[in-house]
Amino acid sequence: DIQMTQSPSTLSASVGDRVTITCRASQSISSWLAWYQQQPGKAPNLLIYKVSGLESGVPSRFSGSGSGTEFTLTISSLQPDDFATYYCQQYNSYPWTFGQGTKVEIK
Amino acid sequence: EVQLVESGGGLVNSGGSLRLSCAASGFTFNTYSMSWVRQAAGKGLEWVSSITGSSTYIYYAESVKGRFTISRDNAKSSLYLQMNSLRAEDTAVYYCARDFRGGSSGPILYWGQGALVTVSS
Repeated sequence: DIQMTQSPSTLSASVGDRVTITCRASQSISSWLAWYQQQPGKAPNLLIYKVSGLESGVPSRFSGSGSGTEFTLTISSLQPDDFATYYCQQYNSYPWTFGQGTKVEIK
Repeated sequence: EVQLVESGGGLVNSGGSLRLSCAASGFTFNTYSMSWVRQAAGKGLEWVSSITGSSTYIYYAESVKGRFTISRDNAKSSLYLQMNSLRAEDTAVYYCARDFRGGSSGPILYWGQGALVTVSS
């Protein structure tokens, strides 16, 4: 199975900060990586697909990059709605696997 | 508008069975792979199982293989998860989920509201 490791697990930041979350795969997943945002008590929401594809309706302050085994999600200027938990997911092969999550908290 | 509505969650004793259903609408159901993803309270997301549009290919997480069965009825636009030999560690919110685009395999674009399954030991 492909293991996905996110860092950090928790991130404290302020509105307007630039935030970067890293996701590492235990083996190459080509470009088959997605990022999701989850608000408490809600289902996850797809932000980014295929490493850097911005899902329709997602603000442009979200961006993704990387290839192979190392990937990043960047929020260019953190907004109040962005305080949430973020997950990466590989869909290169089954079993699909998610990172453990990164909680973005208010500093 | 795409809608995924789960039902069938509840409280069950360890070793018992439960069947989750997901009623889909707003898209051509038989052209999309569907999945179940679960999340224990305060924990991360765990993929459980996926099934292709025509049920040709089915995949399971090792943790549920041999105990859970995913199926679909395209005529009814419905997805199912039959869960047998339930364990305390199966306690979670179970999400019904639809693939990003037809004919593809991942990622997940649409999620249901979730069905809570609680296994009492």
